[in-house]
Amino acid sequence: DVKVTQSSRYLVKRTGEKVFLECVQDMDHENMFWYRQDPGLGLRLIYFSYDVKMKEKGDIPEGYSVSREKKERFSLILESASTNQTSMYLCASSVTGAGNTIYFGEGSWLTVV
Amino acid sequence: ELKVEQNPLFLSMQEGKNYTIYCNYSTTSDRLYWYRQDPGKSLESLFVLLSNGAVKQEGRLMASLDTKARLSTLHITAAVHDLSATYFCAVVYGGSQGNLIFGKGTKLSVKP
Repeated sequence: DVKVTQSSRYLVKRTGEKVFLECVQDMDHENMFWYRQDPGLGLRLIYFSYDVKMKEKGDIPEGYSVSREKKERFSLILESASTNQTSMYLCASSVTGAGNTIYFGEGSWLTVV
Repeated sequence: ELKVEQNPLFLSMQEGKNYTIYCNYSTTSDRLYWYRQDPGKSLESLFVLLSNGAVKQEGRLMASLDTKARLSTLHITAAVHDLSATYFCAVVYGGSQGNLIFGKGTKLSVKP
């Protein structure tokens, strides 16, 4: 089974802190993604990566950065956390090609106080 | 800009009944996904639909795609309590592998 693992399920951080959310997949997928999910807004793409060291902005990249130094790992960084970044963050991965399933991790609940 | 609209957003149904969730999208896309999410959990992939007229079935759920009408349906047959969850459709945007635009989700509650 494909496994997308998000190391931190629940975090509470202070405004202004630097926050790292880590995601690891074990199926050698080229593509990895970070989404955030908010009530009433659904899921929105923050960043995605289709190869090591490659990244593309999604719909809401402001306030975030990403790092992909190894194929299996994709990190989301909040340089200076703000309260409006309180949300659930979902990592996903997939193989390139039409019809391939995009697999999601369990999610990281981040609260910024 | 691609917009994805699901309806209804909330659905309460009796066990044993049938119902359909609708997913409309505003511009051409070559891929549509259906996901299920249980409270506090991640998204579970249900179906990937690639072509006009595609129909896929798994248990009591059947999904179809009409690319000309830009419409997908998720039909629930003889609902059971275990189907209670939130269902999302998502459409690929701009040819990108993973830039999925999600609908707001349909929260389904199946009552005995």
